[in-house]
Amino acid sequence: SQKIEQNSEALNIQEGKTATLTCNYTNYSPAYLQWYRQDPGRGPVFLLLIRENEKEKRKERLKVTFDTTLKQSLFHITASQPADSATYLCALYYGNNRLAFGKGNQVVVIP
Amino acid sequence: NAGVTQTPKFQVLKTGQSMTLQCAQDMNHNSMYWYRQDPGMGLRLIYYSASEGTTDKGEVPNGYNVSRLNKREFSLRLESAAPSQTSVYFCASSVLGQGSGETQYFGPGTRLLVL
Repeated sequence: SQKIEQNSEALNIQEGKTATLTCNYTNYSPAYLQWYRQDPGRGPVFLLLIRENEKEKRKERLKVTFDTTLKQSLFHITASQPADSATYLCALYYGNNRLAFGKGNQVVVIP
Repeated sequence: NAGVTQTPKFQVLKTGQSMTLQCAQDMNHNSMYWYRQDPGMGLRLIYYSASEGTTDKGEVPNGYNVSRLNKREFSLRLESAAPSQTSVYFCASSVLGQGSGETQYFGPGTRLLVL
């Protein structure tokens, strides 16, 4: 069966350090992958998209990598700040206008 | 420009009652989506509409109906609510569809409790 795995345990990280989140998937061949941020009580907000032919994408302090051989995407927040505390969702496009979302991984940045 | 709006924000229903969740977007987007989000389950697609006048089932459509009233509005109806439909419901929209790799813009969500 198709599966998207994100770490269910919260990532606690010291301010200023780099937070790294993992999104692993099985039985998908996504044309692209997206990362969203979700704050408590709010809807997800788009952050970055990376296509299958791209290895890395950057936006300000965010970096995403995509390894289609390992079936894995890594999401990095460099120089993390308390305002980066949120849940981060990965989403795969699997055809027919559909995105499949992971369960999300919470990040807590400690001042 | 309000983006995607949803009403109501909160609702409590008794088993068997019906209700309609409303969603509207003011970004002139063609595609709209309804998701539900449950603890430990992630976002799951209920229905989507690629354009005005069309709707398609998603991953978990049972117990729901949708109407794409016009380009702006996409409603989700629960005909006979069940406790298993207790969830947070999100509406989203995108310019075209996901095939082009577009961003989805999400509403603030409707929190539904079915007793």
